[in-house]
Amino acid sequence: SAVISQKPSRDICQRGTSLTIQCQVDSQVTMMFWYRQQPGQSLTLIATANQGSEATYESGFVIDKFPISRPNLTFSTLTVSNMSPEDSSIYLCSVDPGGYGGYTFGSGTRLTVV
Amino acid sequence: AQKITQTQPGMFVQEKEAVTLDCTYDTSDPSYGLFWYKQPSSGEMIFLIYQGSYDQQNATEGRYSLNFQKARKSANLVISASQLGDSAMYFCAMREHNTNAGKSTFGDGTTLTVKP
Repeated sequence: SAVISQKPSRDICQRGTSLTIQCQVDSQVTMMFWYRQQPGQSLTLIATANQGSEATYESGFVIDKFPISRPNLTFSTLTVSNMSPEDSSIYLCSVDPGGYGGYTFGSGTRLTVV
Repeated sequence: AQKITQTQPGMFVQEKEAVTLDCTYDTSDPSYGLFWYKQPSSGEMIFLIYQGSYDQQNATEGRYSLNFQKARKSANLVISASQLGDSAMYFCAMREHNTNAGKSTFGDGTTLTVKP
């Protein structure tokens, strides 16, 4: 199964600033997903990122706030822009390894906005 | 309507005992997959077990088994011989193969605490 390296693992940021999270996959994958997990809650899908096309955002998430890049089949970034304390969450990237198995997740980025 | 329902916010189990975590789902897609993930306090998501909608037998992976009752739309996770390291949040998820663009939907999770 794919292995994902996600960076940074955690960060504390000032409100109004931006943070870019990176995910590097050790194999080529078509679809990558970005999730947000607010404290004590379940995972909410932010967007689906396919190489060579614009990311598809879920209801409630917009590109200006969460711009995503997917320059190739092994790498993606999510930027959390103009942060507020409400953005404090764990952000996770994941990939669909194909077939009918479970997603593989990165180790997560624990973001605290102060 | 919520697609994945986990009705147990928290569960306790004695070390070495078995525990069942409940999950019900809702879909009209005849082809789907059901998954369980473990999330320790570190935050990573660990894939545990998978059950396909057309699978005739319940899935098993080591100490994990999935009690799949298709007519009742339930996919309960059974953990046998609980260990202290099993203390974590557990999420049930579903992926519909013909709808929802292959995206997964997650339940609200169950926090499992294993007591020594």
